[in-house]
Amino acid sequence: GAVVSQHPSWVICKSGTSVKIECRSLDFQATTMFWYRQFPKQSLMLMATSNEGSKATYEQGVEKDKFLINHASLTLSTLTVTSAHPEDSSFYICSAAGTGANNQPQHFGDGTRLSIL
Amino acid sequence: GEDVEQSLFLSVREGDSSVINCTYTDSSSTYLYWYKQEPGAGLQLLTYIFSNMDMKQDQRLTVLLNKKDKHLSLRIADTQTGDSAIYFCAESSGYSTLTFGKGTMLLVSP
Repeated sequence: GAVVSQHPSWVICKSGTSVKIECRSLDFQATTMFWYRQFPKQSLMLMATSNEGSKATYEQGVEKDKFLINHASLTLSTLTVTSAHPEDSSFYICSAAGTGANNQPQHFGDGTRLSIL
Repeated sequence: GEDVEQSLFLSVREGDSSVINCTYTDSSSTYLYWYKQEPGAGLQLLTYIFSNMDMKQDQRLTVLLNKKDKHLSLRIADTQTGDSAIYFCAESSGYSTLTFGKGTMLLVSP
């Protein structure tokens, strides 16, 4: 149980392109979804927290107009990297926490490797 | 702010036990987690422990929590080459948001 599907797993695109990454909870409903960025050999950096039906909460230093997050249902959140540039190249990972009491553990997708040429 | 510290690297031989240690600073931590990350993949939740517990065992995994010292450990019995990965310790203090350590790379040699 508690499977999170993230795709695409790898995308390569030209500078200036917008890229959408999807995160789905397959067998549970996720009140809250999280988007992380991970640089090589480093830990995860939380970018934003999204709750179904409301605006995402962005961490300090993360541009909300650059990284658009939509959490339209209890099983789907999307991250759109707008007008991507080479410095946006990274490994992006989503996670989902179930409904119910606080402290539902986060279950992670397999990540999306984004390469901007 | 909250801080989670882990040693960066551990090397063991196949069949030995591995112990990965973690310390945290947030005294209001409610849950403490261990995640495993294999190369190029996301994080896999291995186990988690509530802060009022001292120990939790799940097959080859044993988690020990010393709340007084804010010290968490993960012991992997009979370590296998497939256990080679990066292990992240994480804590939360009530609302699902996690604070991660930098990860411990476990290398298991045959």
